[in-house]
Amino acid sequence: GDSVTQMEGPVTLSEEAFLTINCTYTATGYPSLFWYVQYPGEGLQLLLKATKADDKGSNKGFEATYRKETTSFHLEKGSVQVSDSAVYFCALSQGGYNKLIFGAGTRLAVHP
Amino acid sequence: SQTIHQWPATLVQPVGSPLSLECTVEGTSNPNLYWYRQAAGRGLQLLFYSVGIGQISSEVPQNLSASRPQDRQFILSSKKLLLSDSGFYLCAWAAKGSPGEKLFFGSGTQLSVL
Repeated sequence: GDSVTQMEGPVTLSEEAFLTINCTYTATGYPSLFWYVQYPGEGLQLLLKATKADDKGSNKGFEATYRKETTSFHLEKGSVQVSDSAVYFCALSQGGYNKLIFGAGTRLAVHP
Repeated sequence: SQTIHQWPATLVQPVGSPLSLECTVEGTSNPNLYWYRQAAGRGLQLLFYSVGIGQISSEVPQNLSASRPQDRQFILSSKKLLLSDSGFYLCAWAAKGSPGEKLFFGSGTQLSVL
């Protein structure tokens, strides 16, 4: 069945460092891809999404490109801030009812 | 604007006791509703989804059940909790529409079964 694999965390970075969180997926057809973020004490919220191959989703300085040839949707940010500390989830949605299949999540800790 | 309420935030229950978690959505009508669970060290797993009142689809066999008595109310239940039911439970909603619609999540319930 469909699945999502994320790099394991925690990822620890200094402020202004470059961030990459790897995400690959297995799916038949053409899923939509998402990154959700969970800040401490809060629920998940959508960070960005891409619905077809070569689309780039972007938000708050984060970017991810839908790569069908490598079945990947890696999350990147050029300069992280302490406020980016959170858990990041990669997910895919395919078929009806917008059911999401999530990766295990990657915890990011950014230090001043 | 739309909001989603989920309670309680934390819950400690003994093995064998019943469970009822409630989720309500405001500011939208006829949403799709979802229950997810995150066990320690694992990703979010879809447990149930509902496309309308009284319509429940189960994604995995388990000790839990779900009900949707009203359009914007989604309830997760168990008659007898197991240790393996411990985890972080999240309710979510999405508008019906084109594929790729985003989900809006509640703040979750941390359930510990002892």
